[in-house]
Amino acid sequence: AQKVTQAQTEISVVEKEDVTLDCVYETRDTTYYLFWYKQPPSGELVFLIRRNSFDEQNEISGRYSWNFQKSTSSFNFTITASQVVDSAVYFCALSTSGAGSYQLTFGKGTKLSVIP
Amino acid sequence: GAGVSQTPSNKVTEKGKYVELRCDPISGHTALYWYRQSLGQGPEFLIYFQGTGAADDSGLPNDRFFAVRPEGSVSTLKIQRTERGDSAVYLCASSPPGYHTGELFFGEGSRLTVL
Repeated sequence: AQKVTQAQTEISVVEKEDVTLDCVYETRDTTYYLFWYKQPPSGELVFLIRRNSFDEQNEISGRYSWNFQKSTSSFNFTITASQVVDSAVYFCALSTSGAGSYQLTFGKGTKLSVIP
Repeated sequence: GAGVSQTPSNKVTEKGKYVELRCDPISGHTALYWYRQSLGQGPEFLIYFQGTGAADDSGLPNDRFFAVRPEGSVSTLKIQRTERGDSAVYLCASSPPGYHTGELFFGEGSRLTVL
């Protein structure tokens, strides 16, 4: 069975603060893929990043960075210098090679509010 | 538009009624997915189409749920004898041909409310 846990239900930060969204996953597969999606108030989920289980290199994209640690089964997401437009619900997700990358198991999401 | 289009955006129905939700994927995308998102939860997989056929329908909760994609483009999710527990946002997504990367392009969803 696969499971994704996002322990933080809601987070509020003041604009320009850094914020880290936690994600812990469970799977027995040795090959798997981890994702982060953003869901703004309009409702459509927007893909942010995909990571495979063999690549633990951290990634930075502009103000976004991701820290993947297999030892703790975590795939955390940091937003640096947050902006109001970052306000959204963020979902971490997992898929395994056995199910194909289309069947994503999502966490319950973390609602981020950035206050001006 | 260029994105995934879902209609209706909102649907209110009474318990026991039949409902159809439509999804128009991005042009050229061969794979299409339906997910369901209940309040306060993450999306849950329902069914996946590759072309016209359902490649995986393991997420459909019971036989009241059915989906078709007769011409390999537009898909319709059909729910018979709706129950209050079916209330949720039904999300459709598509992805281009080739290896599945997990990058799905989602629509804005159809919010179903069963009274």
